[in-house]
Amino acid sequence: DADVTQTPRNRITKTGKRIMLECSQTKGHDRMYWYRQDPGLGLRLIYYSFDVKDINKGEISDGYSVSRQAQAKFSLSLESAIPNQTALYFCATSDRLGPYEQYFGPGTRLTVT
Amino acid sequence: GQQLNQSPQSMFIQEGEDVSMNCTSSSIFNTWLWYKQDPGEGPVLLIALYKAGELTSNGRLTAQFGITRKDSFLNISASIPSDVGIYFCAGNQYNFNKFYFGSGTKLNVKP
Repeated sequence: DADVTQTPRNRITKTGKRIMLECSQTKGHDRMYWYRQDPGLGLRLIYYSFDVKDINKGEISDGYSVSRQAQAKFSLSLESAIPNQTALYFCATSDRLGPYEQYFGPGTRLTVT
Repeated sequence: GQQLNQSPQSMFIQEGEDVSMNCTSSSIFNTWLWYKQDPGEGPVLLIALYKAGELTSNGRLTAQFGITRKDSFLNISASIPSDVGIYFCAGNQYNFNKFYFGSGTKLNVKP
């Protein structure tokens, strides 16, 4: 079984809808991250969480919110989706005790029409 | 935010050729990571480097942690069609606890 899972894998939604992307991990890591990937722009950090009570904004947090429901679960919400939020979204984890490596989920392809 | 400059942006090579790509930063990193991403999938960690000057191999892949701690290199020897994908570098500074990514090198291999 995959260590980092994301649901759904694909989603098409309409402008203005609220949508939630979910991430679960079995690696036992305390740190979790949400990234967005657009063609040619690499990975950009949306939010990150170092433990259940510690949530931080990344470089492109506007229009997004997150919830860390448990150490193993970190969800990303788009409160009112807009077309320029069409992208690939990745969840990742790392361990505060090291090694300083990051492990990614398979991604969610989100299309906002 | 932190910038990692990765080059080249894309490469078109013949099967069997060797490939080199690199990543540079204006800041010092404590860890350098190299990932491969297949279309529609998440990045997969290939090699992790922890010490300046370190040279680490994973099959046909070899990566080096630059001695200035501001750069890293990835080499792929004797490329094969399944090497096709996007390769990303990433750096980590322990005290900031975040990871910074290059924009990727897209590798195309002609059989």
